[in-house]
Amino acid sequence: DAGVIQSPRHEVTEMGQEVTLRCKPISGHDYLFWYRQTMMRGLELLIYFNNNVPIDDSGMPEDRFSAKMPNASFSTLKIQPSEPRDSAVYFCASRPTGDPNIQYFGAGTRLSVL
Amino acid sequence: RKEVEQDPGPFNVPEGATVAFNCTYSNSASQSFFWYRQDCRKEPKLLMSVYSSGNEDGRFTAQLNRASQYISLLIRDSKLSDSATYLCAVNNDMRFGAGTRLTVKP
Repeated sequence: DAGVIQSPRHEVTEMGQEVTLRCKPISGHDYLFWYRQTMMRGLELLIYFNNNVPIDDSGMPEDRFSAKMPNASFSTLKIQPSEPRDSAVYFCASRPTGDPNIQYFGAGTRLSVL
Repeated sequence: RKEVEQDPGPFNVPEGATVAFNCTYSNSASQSFFWYRQDCRKEPKLLMSVYSSGNEDGRFTAQLNRASQYISLLIRDSKLSDSATYLCAVNNDMRFGAGTRLTVKP
């Protein structure tokens, strides 16, 4: 398996634009997590899904952020409109239900909002 | 108060030194605990799980103190290659601490 795949790896956009980050979890993994990492706040959990259903979105900063998981092999995190303070590295991670000890991260998307 | 807190460091130690990090958690019902390692500009990777009785993996020892609600990571005989950020994670929903940066110097 290729692991968790995120795209794009880098995104540079202007304030006010819509940004869509994509994630393909490892096949067979039932949990999918979205994180944001910054120097100031560290690695923050934004939202996670179990069997494509959002379980906890309390970490989503505000209404500008939305996440979907239309099927078991794809998830998106959308920011609309984007702001400079959204600049961060966004990680997606997946995990199988049967083993909470195994969580795999994607390589991340480095977002810069100018 | 954040659910999981760590001393951000940085910790700068010479090769061969022993270094320890602590991580405190606020939810007393937490059941699962982990240490992750993150290299610069890379994703976090699982270093080791933390078991109730404590566990060891080579030069790395992880311990859990439920009464005081913290976990610890001890690195013995540190190597240059141990330089990284170490993050603790709590529970199945994987709340992370902000990470502790370690630099091992020759």
